[in-house]
Amino acid sequence: ETGVTQSPTHLIKTRGQQVTLRCSSQSGHNTVSWYQQALGQGPQFIFQYYREEENGRGNFPPRFSGLQFPNYSSELNVNALELDDSALYLCASSPRPGLAGGDSYEQYFGPGTRLTVT
Amino acid sequence: AQSVTQPDIHITVSEGASLELRCNYSYGATPYLFWYVQSPGQGLQLLLKYFSGDTLVQGIKGFEAEFKRSQSSFNLRKPSVHWSDAAEYFCAVGPYNFNKFYFGSGTKLNVKP
Repeated sequence: ETGVTQSPTHLIKTRGQQVTLRCSSQSGHNTVSWYQQALGQGPQFIFQYYREEENGRGNFPPRFSGLQFPNYSSELNVNALELDDSALYLCASSPRPGLAGGDSYEQYFGPGTRLTVT
Repeated sequence: AQSVTQPDIHITVSEGASLELRCNYSYGATPYLFWYVQSPGQGLQLLLKYFSGDTLVQGIKGFEAEFKRSQSSFNLRKPSVHWSDAAEYFCAVGPYNFNKFYFGSGTKLNVKP
């Protein structure tokens, strides 16, 4: 069973540029969530995709956008990069968005993409 | 507003000693609570979760957590810490449909030999 993979591992961009990060979900998982983890902070929820539709969104501006593909892999796009966008971006997949009381709900996290904006 | 507070940024314990990591949450609905561990260079791993029922939940690696609704707390415990437990620990809360999660800022655990 292949786990969650993310690419690239590291990335350096200049302020104002655009970036695309990629995530391959674990086999059989149709839900992908993206998080931003700044240095010394906990992950902050960006958004979640379920069956190619956005299923929930955190407090991030519209320049953070995403896609989910028919094979359930996903992309995170960030436009007009700012210095504060420098962070570890984590992707997590799960079997489904979640069922109340469901014992099987669990997010499986990838190792992350380290983005540095200069 | 929904939030998770982990009051201890760093904790150091001796190997073999007991451990308690604190987590307090503010959430407007029934909370679904989680503890994750993050080792350097690795993704987050779920230790345990609470949805309903018994307020003392058991997780992997010998960890347990107790949900106390009256105190809005979900503290993580381990009776005897091993050197391999050194990592950063995050508490998180989410809604019933798990379409949004709130993480605390983490507690970094150091283990003294």
